[in-house]
Amino acid sequence: DIVMTQSPDSLAVSLGERATINCKSNQSILYSSNNKNYLAWYQQKPGQPPKLLIYWASTRESGVPDRFSGSGSGTDFTLTISNLQAEDVAVYYCQQYYSTLLFTFGPGTRVDIK
Amino acid sequence: QVQLQESGPGLVKPSQTLSLTCTVSGGSISSGYYYWNWIRQPVGEALEWIGRVHTSGSTDYNPSLKSRVTISVDTSKNQFSLKLSSVTAADTAVYYCAKDKGYGGRALEIWGQGTLVTVSS
Repeated sequence: DIVMTQSPDSLAVSLGERATINCKSNQSILYSSNNKNYLAWYQQKPGQPPKLLIYWASTRESGVPDRFSGSGSGTDFTLTISNLQAEDVAVYYCQQYYSTLLFTFGPGTRVDIK
Repeated sequence: QVQLQESGPGLVKPSQTLSLTCTVSGGSISSGYYYWNWIRQPVGEALEWIGRVHTSGSTDYNPSLKSRVTISVDTSKNQFSLKLSSVTAADTAVYYCAKDKGYGGRALEIWGQGTLVTVSS
């Protein structure tokens, strides 16, 4: 199984500052034939379903503000929220979709306002 | 814009079968090369992928649940369904259905609102 880990478990950031969330897989999720990383990021607010923010590790979903950006390759990935807004308070999950036998999510990172 | 809505009993007794349906509106479940997924989330915990179905009938299941899970599609009703047998309290969770991006990749782009299923006698 591909195991996803995230760090930190939670973080508090001041409004307008940057939040950085890390995600690591225990094996590469870079598919060599198309040079794509099979990694997505989701945002989940209380009482709501997850919302897709980023796919292919760095492609922003339509309608997602450009303060959200994804980077990384292979086994190490980062979600960066620049200029943190109050509405960004949520839990963020990474997910690999490389292994079609078992899609797996990270444990989540909670982002709060300091 | 495609929307998804889960439906089914909110309370299931231990050892019985949990049955949920996801109704697709705003588009045909048969159009495009999409997979239709089920994911669950125990309250306060992380997400767990249960499995997926293609309109061809092809399925993939989480190996940890495979012996108890059946996901099927009914294109005439624009729905897909989840059955989870022999449930225990550990199966209590919010259950979500979701659509992937098709040829744009298998990230889950559209989610239902979720439905809480409690397993209790």
